[in-house]
Amino acid sequence: AQSVTQLGSHVSVSEGALVLLRCNYSSSVPPYLFWYVQYPNQGLQLLLKYTSAATLVKGINGFEAEFKKSETSFHLTKPSAHMSDAAEYFCAVSGSGGSNYKLTFGKGTLLTVNP
Amino acid sequence: DADVTQTPRNRITKTGKRIMLECSQTKGHDRMYWYRQDPGLGLQLIYYSFDVKDINKGEISDGYSVSRQAQAKFSLSLESAIPNQTALYFCATSEGQGRNEQYFGPGTRLTVT
Repeated sequence: AQSVTQLGSHVSVSEGALVLLRCNYSSSVPPYLFWYVQYPNQGLQLLLKYTSAATLVKGINGFEAEFKKSETSFHLTKPSAHMSDAAEYFCAVSGSGGSNYKLTFGKGTLLTVNP
Repeated sequence: DADVTQTPRNRITKTGKRIMLECSQTKGHDRMYWYRQDPGLGLQLIYYSFDVKDINKGEISDGYSVSRQAQAKFSLSLESAIPNQTALYFCATSEGQGRNEQYFGPGTRLTVT
């Protein structure tokens, strides 16, 4: 079975500072991993995904994530936070085999950006 | 135009009422999903459908039912709404086969009083 743990339900950074949102996963097979962003009053939007190609994945809005198998991690980073990055972020891992349709989500990390 | 649309966007209803939430998609995807989001709990899968004739229960299907009227339409019903079904509901779609990303609608905020 797959699972996702997002460390920190709330992260606060200053505008221009580094953003680091942590995600650890558990998977019985090589994982496919995803980061989604949810802006207020909106649905989830895909930021980026890892599908066993390059370990450093670049996404939209300047975000990137690095897959580290040894640490079972897929942390999301952005070098310089912008006010518009304030949102909730979800990490997800896909199932495998007969459950390949299934996405298991973490509980989310709310990012606050202070001026 | 949005690829995945949901109606209504907001709904307040009373305990015991039947309510239907609707989802339509123009992405041409075979797979559709209904999720429930509660603060601090992430997303929980209610039902999913691989095609019109293939509908399956998710993690928290009790108290809910669904209908897949066409490839593009997937509705969620609460037969007799109760207050603890107050939540944000999302529809999503994905391509068939493979471990693909899902595309989400804007959500329906449901309040049961």
